[in-house]
Amino acid sequence: RKEVEQDPGPFNVPEGATVAFNCTYSNSASQSFFWYRQDCRKEPKLLMSVYSSGNEDGRFTAQLNRASQYISLLIRDSKLSDSATYLCVVNGAGSYQLTFGKGTKLSVIP
Amino acid sequence: EAGVVQSPRYKIIEKKQPVAFWCNPISGHNTLYWYLQNLGQGPELLIRYENEEAVDDSQLPKDRFSAERLKGVDSTLKIQPAELGDSAVYLCASSLGSGDTTSGANVLTFGAGSRLTVL
Repeated sequence: RKEVEQDPGPFNVPEGATVAFNCTYSNSASQSFFWYRQDCRKEPKLLMSVYSSGNEDGRFTAQLNRASQYISLLIRDSKLSDSATYLCVVNGAGSYQLTFGKGTKLSVIP
Repeated sequence: EAGVVQSPRYKIIEKKQPVAFWCNPISGHNTLYWYLQNLGQGPELLIRYENEEAVDDSQLPKDRFSAERLKGVDSTLKIQPAELGDSAVYLCASSLGSGDTTSGANVLTFGAGSRLTVL
């Protein structure tokens, strides 16, 4: 099992739709979880940190399920500007050993 | 406040030539990372520094790649000689590196990256 695995995508959704991405991780001792957003030919930027069971920021909700070792990202009322690749990041053996998933590409269609 | 600064943004070289990338992290960030990103893939760690010490370089191809962070601030990543397969984006990131990670000490801030093309 890879350290961090994400839905392969791409996800093509209409404006206003709700879309969810999943990410599974292999290290049961992991404590830090993040979602990063990466626009085409740009650097990754932090979207959300997930430190407990989950958190919400406007249209974005991240959830953590430690028992099943996965985190999810829910985007409600999708906007054209949400089109990007969403990267799941999990720490490994140490808090600063951060591993990225391959990313899930989202395209929001008018 | 300036973010993570990388240079050059783009570099085109012929195979077997050397190349170097420079990174200046956010002021006060102790931990510095070099990641490699291929098209359609997530960033893959090459090396991580805590201050001037390389604490994780297990994924760095040491036969041709080297890195340094002599004064615990800026860092250089070098490839010599470059191969065709080294074409990628080289991303530098930094984090506070100390304190409680639940307060964001391990949140990464990336530079814009250095895009390398080896011909």
